[in-house]
Amino acid sequence: GAGVSQSPRYKVTKRGQDVALRCDPISGHVSLYWYRQALGQGPEFLTYFNYEAQQDKSGLPNDRFSAERPEGSISTLTIQRTEQRDSAMYRCASSLGATGVYFGPGTRLLVL
Amino acid sequence: AQSVTQLDSQVPVFEEAPVELRCNYSSSVSVYLFWYVQYPNQGLQLLLKYLSGSTLVKGINGFEAEFNKSQTSFHLRKPSVHISDTAEYFCAVRAGYGGSQGNLIFGKGTKLSVKP
Repeated sequence: GAGVSQSPRYKVTKRGQDVALRCDPISGHVSLYWYRQALGQGPEFLTYFNYEAQQDKSGLPNDRFSAERPEGSISTLTIQRTEQRDSAMYRCASSLGATGVYFGPGTRLLVL
Repeated sequence: AQSVTQLDSQVPVFEEAPVELRCNYSSSVSVYLFWYVQYPNQGLQLLLKYLSGSTLVKGINGFEAEFNKSQTSFHLRKPSVHISDTAEYFCAVRAGYGGSQGNLIFGKGTKLSVKP
């Protein structure tokens, strides 16, 4: 497709379960980003990749959060042992160079 | 460290009136500046961006923004709004170079509500 895609769009899980969120960036985009957006807030940076290399993971809140992009295209954000405070919209974005960053539709995660 | 402040959390305005959404940033390095729009139940859409060159940047849907380095501002304007402009608007900054080049710092957003 032409834009960034994410799956699933909605995820409801029970506290303590692991979840994996998928992002398929725009074809040819070198950089891929993960953001988290809580209700009433702007997106908050989590981590980003150039190709398959994770360049910055300073925004990951704790070691339950991890991300990978093994072939430099699709990326997965994994949250282990989910907690209610992890409930948020998780947004993926991609870019080519230092210009515009293009966002996907997001995955809304609800942890019960 | 970079930061973005959107001074107004909500801006109500009547249809066909002009609007300005304010954004101030702080950064010790050169910056790229962006405005994103989020329509209800939709994702973030790039509205416009400032990378370099002319300080007046035109975007989609009749919006424009002016980069003011001395005032560290990047306010968004539209001379005449429509009902369909009702959305949440986010200002964002990105470092022009250096270790933090990769990520955007967002403001908390401004909800624009256009009334008939």
